[in-house]
Amino acid sequence: GAGVSQSPSNKVTEKGKDVELRCDPISGHTALYWYRQSLGQGLEFLIYFQGNSAPDKSGLPSDRFSAERTGGSVSTLTIQRTQQEDSAVYLCASSLEGGGPYEQYFGPGTRLTVT
Amino acid sequence: GQNIDQPTEMTATEGAIVQINCTYQTSGFNGLFWYQQHAGEAPTFLSYNVLDGLEEKGRFSSFLSRSKGYSYLLLKELQMKDSASYLCAVMDSNYQLIWGAGTKLIIKP
Repeated sequence: GAGVSQSPSNKVTEKGKDVELRCDPISGHTALYWYRQSLGQGLEFLIYFQGNSAPDKSGLPSDRFSAERTGGSVSTLTIQRTQQEDSAVYLCASSLEGGGPYEQYFGPGTRLTVT
Repeated sequence: GQNIDQPTEMTATEGAIVQINCTYQTSGFNGLFWYQQHAGEAPTFLSYNVLDGLEEKGRFSSFLSRSKGYSYLLLKELQMKDSASYLCAVMDSNYQLIWGAGTKLIIKP
């Protein structure tokens, strides 16, 4: 079946605006992850969903960041009042289940640029 | 704290062998993953080790020593398409992946 998809692929926004990033996981995958990757850096964990609930929100960098997942499928990551330091590639991944050593499958990412 | 260390960049010659090392200190251990990431693309899974020893998969092998907090990824018969970043990630006691910054591998003809 189809892999993980993300939209938009690129987003340029002005400082202070809100943005919404979307992730469509692999069908049947119950676990969904959001990461952020700055240029030349490793992946920074943001949030993890098991079904529709988020047992681990520890990585969200500030209260400007929020995420939700509905129907155990699509997830949206919302960044309010964007700042220039939010510029990065936002990657979504899904796995068959969470809470175990399951391979994560990544989407192509959304490149966010805050001007 | 939790820490994953790997070299920032390595250079190797086409047809040769290269070993990329990863050392870690984490809260618990539920396995170590290696991912490959080509520039501008998403990471893709290469290997998973949870027991000590060597796992071989074609031209790629991955080794783990839990007592030393150490792993390496071995790439044989290097091809130009192997030019990419290689990410080491450890799954901690909460089954959360802790990622290294990645090793950029440059292959020269």
